[in-house]
Amino acid sequence: DTAVSQTPKYLVTQMGNDKSIKCEQNLGHDTMYWYKQDSKKFLKIMFSYNNKELIINETVPNRFSPKSPDKAHLNLHINSLELGDSAVYFCASSQIAGAGETQYFGPGTRLLVL
Amino acid sequence: GNSVTQMEGPVTLSEEAFLTINCTYTATGYPSLFWYVQYPGEGLQLLLKATKADDKGSNKGFEATYRKETTSFHLEKGSVQVSDSAVYFCALLNTGGFKTIFGAGTRLFVKA
Repeated sequence: DTAVSQTPKYLVTQMGNDKSIKCEQNLGHDTMYWYKQDSKKFLKIMFSYNNKELIINETVPNRFSPKSPDKAHLNLHINSLELGDSAVYFCASSQIAGAGETQYFGPGTRLLVL
Repeated sequence: GNSVTQMEGPVTLSEEAFLTINCTYTATGYPSLFWYVQYPGEGLQLLLKATKADDKGSNKGFEATYRKETTSFHLEKGSVQVSDSAVYFCALLNTGGFKTIFGAGTRLFVKA
């Protein structure tokens, strides 16, 4: 059983399109995250939700909008895709947001904007 | 602010060589420290962690000791294998914080 799953795994689309990435965790965790990893493997947090409430919102363009319908799901919608959005997007979860807590990552969604 | 600095890669070693990947941090308070590993085409997974000074985390032959006096958490392994080829991330999570700070990652190549 996959602990943190993401769909789709690959996403190729044209500039200007709108797309969504879905994430689900079956670990019973309270906190979920979205990260962006660029081509140099640098990992940057975008958003974090705790019990469906937004707790971290880094400097991310308004075109990115997370939605958490319940504790087990955190989806990411991207409007008006740009070339610079091409990256690997990782969803993660942890039991709580706090010291010592391990994050569990999904397999990533590889987004390519043409 | 909080930050993590780790040695630039790539690091290329022969099988059975000794590995050290340096990691230093800046933080207020008393952070927990982590090493995550990312194998090709996969997400990150926890390799080891330490939650207080002088703790040693260990897993799969890898070790790292939380050194508060030098603000370091260097990763070591006595004898690397080809299967250890991956990107390694040092990270910290401060007490009461919600955001894990990741280093830039160090790519390791192990040759047979």
